[in-house]
Amino acid sequence: GEDVEQSLFLSVREGDSSVINCTYTDSSSTYLYWYKQEPGAGLQLLTYIFSNMDMKQDQRLTVLLNKKDKHLSLRIADTQTGDSAIYFCAEYPSGTYKYIFGTGTRLKVLA
Amino acid sequence: SQTIHQWPATLVQPVGSPLSLECTVEGTSNPNLYWYRQAAGRGLQLLFYSVGIGQISSEVPQNLSASRPQDRQFILSSKKLLLSDSGFYLCAWTGGSRPSGNTIYFGEGSWLTVV
Repeated sequence: GEDVEQSLFLSVREGDSSVINCTYTDSSSTYLYWYKQEPGAGLQLLTYIFSNMDMKQDQRLTVLLNKKDKHLSLRIADTQTGDSAIYFCAEYPSGTYKYIFGTGTRLKVLA
Repeated sequence: SQTIHQWPATLVQPVGSPLSLECTVEGTSNPNLYWYRQAAGRGLQLLFYSVGIGQISSEVPQNLSASRPQDRQFILSSKKLLLSDSGFYLCAWTGGSRPSGNTIYFGEGSWLTVV
């Protein structure tokens, strides 16, 4: 199937690290993405990782990829209230035009 | 730089009425275009995508349809709306003439409430 799974909610305290997890389904996926959606808005690209990488770091963001388990995670260091949003992971199966998104994880940052 | 516009931003329509959502992309040519729907608690569902004028691929059987009358214009339509069509509709685009995994960019979305 084409179900990309994420937990629905995550709550953290300001200054702590947040880890958002994602399980994808297509082992041929060459690109995996993380998007952020603020209330009432479209999705903005946060970062992406190629399938031949295990880790990618971009300022406060760290992406870990476990291809064997088809598991992707996004770690946000020093989480701020402005990080409160819905985070979507997405996979791009090789040879298609489709981008398959997960259900989204709603991150709430408590002051 | 490339920009994507979709409208209207918000609409409230009665059951059985028609629908037309429009999306245009500027600053690029021959984009791949997408319509997604976001329903509460259900994530993003791919509805249609198009790799060229007049070429539409449908992912979900439903009472919606899509058309691409011009290279950078993508329209989502319905002849008769259902309550279940309510949701947040997002248009998106990518570049590239072949499947490449290029980053997908989204519009600001259209809120549809069917009453």
